[in-house]
Amino acid sequence: DTEVTQTPKHLVMGMTNKKSLKCEQHMGHRAMYWYKQKAKKPPELMFVYSYEKLSINESVPSRFSPECPNSSLLNLHLHALQPEDSALYLCASSQERQGQETQYFGPGTRLLVL
Amino acid sequence: AQSVTQLGSHVSVSEGALVLLRCNYSSSVPPYLFWYVQYPNQGLQLLLKYTSAATLVKGINGFEAEFKKSETSFHLTKPSAHMSDAAEYFCAVIPTGGFKTIFGAGTRLFVKA
Repeated sequence: DTEVTQTPKHLVMGMTNKKSLKCEQHMGHRAMYWYKQKAKKPPELMFVYSYEKLSINESVPSRFSPECPNSSLLNLHLHALQPEDSALYLCASSQERQGQETQYFGPGTRLLVL
Repeated sequence: AQSVTQLGSHVSVSEGALVLLRCNYSSSVPPYLFWYVQYPNQGLQLLLKYTSAATLVKGINGFEAEFKKSETSFHLTKPSAHMSDAAEYFCAVIPTGGFKTIFGAGTRLFVKA
């Protein structure tokens, strides 16, 4: 099983809403990632969790708050977002946070902020 | 800093024709190299990866890529295009000793009937 699942598939929210994106994998991977992808652009790394601890935060605004409740789950809490935050949010996982490890991506959550 | 260049933001081929998508990386030390495909409204799917075991790498869906150190290239090919190959293709690298995946800008492949 090389599957990373993400829910919801689509999300529309207002700028005052609070919502969460969820990501799950059961491959035993110990590194999990959040990426943001704008239309016609490559993904941009946001956060990296390694062994359930946040190891990388790529200067992401505080209105995005990641959480890793256990080794299989990764959440992204959203609050007071801006319209420019509308994008495809991709979760990925890999066995370890090592250079040669392949990252497996989920299908993404398409977010629209009104 | 490590970078990845994909030549051609759009490539159009006829069904049954050769597919060639170009990727060059900038590094004095060969990194780990990947090709991902992204179909419309979907996430990224790994096509193949190079991790120094063999210079010619075979992937899924009939794709393959050849690592050429002298040219710092990792071009993606497929002998015969199929309509279902129409998608966005991303070349990516992870620098040796690093972990962060660096993506190229992407190449949109169009397949004409």
